[in-house]
Amino acid sequence: EAGVTQFPSHSVIEKGQTVTLRCDPISGHDNLYWYRRVMGKEIKFLLHFVKESKQDESGMPNNRFLAERTGGTYSTLKVQPAELEDSGVYFCASGQTGGARYEQYFGPGTRLTVT
Amino acid sequence: GDSVTQMEGPVTLSEEAFLTINCTYTATGYPSLFWYVQYPGEGLQLLLKATKADDKGSNKGFEATYRKETTSFHLEKGSVQVSDSAVYFCALSVNTGRRALTFGSGTRLQVQP
Repeated sequence: EAGVTQFPSHSVIEKGQTVTLRCDPISGHDNLYWYRRVMGKEIKFLLHFVKESKQDESGMPNNRFLAERTGGTYSTLKVQPAELEDSGVYFCASGQTGGARYEQYFGPGTRLTVT
Repeated sequence: GDSVTQMEGPVTLSEEAFLTINCTYTATGYPSLFWYVQYPGEGLQLLLKATKADDKGSNKGFEATYRKETTSFHLEKGSVQVSDSAVYFCALSVNTGRRALTFGSGTRLQVQP
């Protein structure tokens, strides 16, 4: 079974540009989460999808971030326009509904560098 | 709000040494507790978990006991190996329907041969 995959693994962009990160969850996982780790600090929750619906987006930092989950499969996280403080590692995780409670499977992350 | 505090690294140990990484938490509800590990170049992996007080999670020689009285979930291993070198994250999730994980800042462990 394939794990959670993320693309790209690393992105370097200039301030003001747009970047789109992609996450492919484990097949059959209805729950999809985005997190990020900035400057070696703690990993922080961004948002949670159940299928195609946003269940909780309380962690989204501002309206420059837009997440979508087309058809309840893969998800994208767009940052537009990017700022320096957006640099960090963006993790995606997925989990089953009704599976082991709160168990989330993480992808390798996308390292975003904004210069 | 919910928070997790873990000891700052890096922690450098010799092979076969005893490991303790401290983790304490504050939570608005009754949390489930986790340790995740990130090996170089890989994603986060669930190492162990405990869902109620006094439960002991264990995996790959690592153990952690859910101590409600001290709000702690310290990670221990009796004899570390070079292959244990990684970043370890303590995390919690509160049983309020919100399934998001709250993480600590991570502790880098470096084991030397």
